[in-house]
Amino acid sequence: EVQLVESGGGLVQPGGSLRLSCAASGFTLSSSWIHWVRQTPGKGLVWVSHISADGNSATYADSVKGRFTISRDNVKNVVYLQMNSLRAEDTALYYCARPHRGLSNSGWFDYWGQGTLVTVSS
Amino acid sequence: EVVLTQSPATLSVSPGERVTLSCRASQSLNSNLAWYQQKPGQAPRPLIYDASTRATGTPPRFSGSGSGTEFTLTVSSLQSEDFAVYFCQQNNTWPWTFGQGTKVEIK
Repeated sequence: EVQLVESGGGLVQPGGSLRLSCAASGFTLSSSWIHWVRQTPGKGLVWVSHISADGNSATYADSVKGRFTISRDNVKNVVYLQMNSLRAEDTALYYCARPHRGLSNSGWFDYWGQGTLVTVSS
Repeated sequence: EVVLTQSPATLSVSPGERVTLSCRASQSLNSNLAWYQQKPGQAPRPLIYDASTRATGTPPRFSGSGSGTEFTLTVSSLQSEDFAVYFCQQNNTWPWTFGQGTKVEIK
């Protein structure tokens, strides 16, 4: 069974950092692109970042560029999202998601984790 | 970026009714649109991709149609488990974007 499990969320002060993890099982993570998507009641679902299967290519939403870094460890079957210089507007439930069959040219997500909550507040 | 406008924001319906949800794009998407269902406390679940193809496990009562800028998700006969929020998502132009959702609630 394909599973994605996020962890690492929590309460952090503005300007602080957090590292989210996305652990995968039930499929070959090293062959799969992975995305991060966040959700808030106000802005809904917003795409944040993605990383290629080999980790050599990454893309970011303009709102997080320069502050967030996506990476992966295919030996440990984990994808990370390092979030620095956090702002109140980064408060959200963060999901990792797999594009259909893990393919780079697939435009929809067939598996999502349950999300990890990030709260940025003083 | 592409803006997706879903309507209505909320739909109150009775079980067994036919439901039609709309997703309008600010520019042409060809057929690069997906639909998801989300229940409280759960992650989004894919229903439809490429505008009209049912994802694995999607019941046949769900159907998608449209192309260009106008898309529709139809539920032919709403079941109790279908009360949820429905999102559309475009994958035609980076960054991929989502609609704000339509909540389907019990009348």
